[in-house]
Amino acid sequence: KNEVEQSPQNLTAQEGEFITINCSYSVGISALHWLQQHPGGGIVSLFMLSSGKKKHGRLIATINIQEKHSSLHITASHPRDSAVYICAVKDSGGSNYKLTFGKGTLLTVNP
Amino acid sequence: GAGVSQSPSNKVTEKGKDVELRCDPISGHTALYWYRQSLGQGLEFLIYFQGNSAPDKSGLPSDRFSAERTGGSVSTLTIQRTQQEDSAVYLCATGTKYTDTQYFGPGTRLTVL
Repeated sequence: KNEVEQSPQNLTAQEGEFITINCSYSVGISALHWLQQHPGGGIVSLFMLSSGKKKHGRLIATINIQEKHSSLHITASHPRDSAVYICAVKDSGGSNYKLTFGKGTLLTVNP
Repeated sequence: GAGVSQSPSNKVTEKGKDVELRCDPISGHTALYWYRQSLGQGLEFLIYFQGNSAPDKSGLPSDRFSAERTGGSVSTLTIQRTQQEDSAVYLCATGTKYTDTQYFGPGTRLTVL
């Protein structure tokens, strides 16, 4: 069973700062997801990666398959980015639908 | 509506009572997942439905938990004889068989007193 670790658990930043959230996992994967959960519970899928890098607006996600590590970056952070960011992985040897989730990183961006 | 909906949004119940949580998927989504999110924990897989195939129930924590999906659409998660440790947010997500992207509902916050 894959173990997914996120760091930091909590992150406080000032508006405009560059943010990095890290995710590491223990077993080979076929895909990694980054999700965003706003206060009130709604979860939105941000990225799905199997290699390299993806960019959407101010968000950038990278993955290093050899090092079993992914990062989520937020450029020019804004208070509306405040949320919990969750990393989830699909094992390469497991079912083609089950995800293992990290515990999340709580990001607070102050104005 | 275009998204996944869940009801009720909040449920407070007494220990020992049964509860039913409902999920209405996005039209046409054949995949449906139930997850549990306890305080300070990551999302925990409970059950997976895909079309008319037999569901994967491997994540259900005990036989007090069950789920149905009628007509490949609406799903109901039932918890019998609720315990305080069942208190959590129960999330439903749906998707298609062509993509890994899951679309989450807003969740039901269950509190067992």
